[in-house]
Amino acid sequence: GENVEQHPSTLSVQEGDSAVIKCTYSDSASNYFPWYKQELGKRPQLIIDIRSNVGEKKDQRIAVTLNKTAKHFSLHITETQPEDSAVYFCAAPSGSQGNLIFGKGTKLSVKP
Amino acid sequence: DTGVSQNPRHKITKRGQNVTFRCDPISEHNRLYWYRQTLGQGPEFLTYFQNEAQLEKSRLLSDRFSAERPKGSFSTLEIQRTEQGDSAMYLCASSPQQGPYEQYFGPGTRLTVT
Repeated sequence: GENVEQHPSTLSVQEGDSAVIKCTYSDSASNYFPWYKQELGKRPQLIIDIRSNVGEKKDQRIAVTLNKTAKHFSLHITETQPEDSAVYFCAAPSGSQGNLIFGKGTKLSVKP
Repeated sequence: DTGVSQNPRHKITKRGQNVTFRCDPISEHNRLYWYRQTLGQGPEFLTYFQNEAQLEKSRLLSDRFSAERPKGSFSTLEIQRTEQGDSAMYLCASSPQQGPYEQYFGPGTRLTVT
């Protein structure tokens, strides 16, 4: 089955700096990679996703890159703001049924 | 609110009691997923439905757990004879399409077993 590893587990940056979170997956057949943001006590919120037919996707200050050969994908946040502080999870589908396997999360702290 | 909803939001129960949670997915989403999340971890898959059919169950779903989606709309998750290890956030998500497309999560039900 799919296995997803996420690094780092914690990340602290100054407001305005960039943040990068990396994930690796094991199943070369995986074709969809979402990123979720979870604030304390709230639901995981889908912030961006990428499908295996593209290498990069951007949405304002966030972007995701995918390297299918190396089986890793990364979340990039530019011009970080204090409201970006949260736990971020990457995920990949397990098999063809769509259930997601999540990484262990990265706690991002943006210091003003 | 057209998002995924879950009830109750919090449940405190004594060990050995049965509990039932409800999830209402986004209208017309045919796929519904249940996940469990413990502190400091990512969500872990429990089971999923396509319409009313339960198509996959995780090994995490012991025989004390049962889920239903009788009319292909809302779903219930029941835990019988609760144990302290069942304490967690139970999350529901729904997805609109056949493939592994975007899943939208509900606010979760936080279960505390004392």
